[in-house]
Amino acid sequence: DSGVTQTPKHLITATGQRVTLRCSPRSGDLSVYWYQQSLDQGLQFLIQYYNGEERAKGNILERFSAQQFPDLHSELNLSSLELGDSALYFCASSVLSGGRADTQYFGPGTRLTVL
Amino acid sequence: GENVEQHPSTLSVQEGDSAVIKCTYSDSASNYFPWYKQELGKRPQLIIDIRSNVGEKKDQRIAVTLNKTAKHFSLHITETQPEDSAVYFCAASRKAGGGNKLTFGTGTQLKVEL
Repeated sequence: DSGVTQTPKHLITATGQRVTLRCSPRSGDLSVYWYQQSLDQGLQFLIQYYNGEERAKGNILERFSAQQFPDLHSELNLSSLELGDSALYFCASSVLSGGRADTQYFGPGTRLTVL
Repeated sequence: GENVEQHPSTLSVQEGDSAVIKCTYSDSASNYFPWYKQELGKRPQLIIDIRSNVGEKKDQRIAVTLNKTAKHFSLHITETQPEDSAVYFCAASRKAGGGNKLTFGTGTQLKVEL
């Protein structure tokens, strides 16, 4: 158990719908990262937040958005869902200290199925 | 941006043999290289990492080597066991503008046969 929690574990929805994925980082970690894992694209970085502020952005679609709240939990919102959005969505967290790249610990993931 | 290539995509070894997985990266500014193990349907789990100021790091049966000049790093697993069977991902990262994203390789499916 990494200490990172994600809910829900599984999500099944229809095309065109909107869903929200939730992540709570490890105690003491200030930074949260979202990754998408699909069969054809592998593990892809989406977005990073640090203490409520966006810090880095990957190839995140405009239909996707995220935020980090004052209690440091984060939510990833996916809208106008398409079949191709079906994937495992992982959250990771790290301390984000000093000038060094941090070790990232991954949560159990949310499996999204779009029908 | 950073690009990480990983080989082989599948690797089958006999129990007790060694396994080696290799990765190359493109961004010479990358300075942190973790390896993750992922079992089917589970989260990626960090097994070892190395920073650019170190050439080699060992943890029991697992070792990682880094060649900054050639921009490649490798994972070595000795005395493989059936429980080592999983997908292994290499990744590269650097601190940039306060960001710290991981760029992953495409993964290696390791199968340890009895």
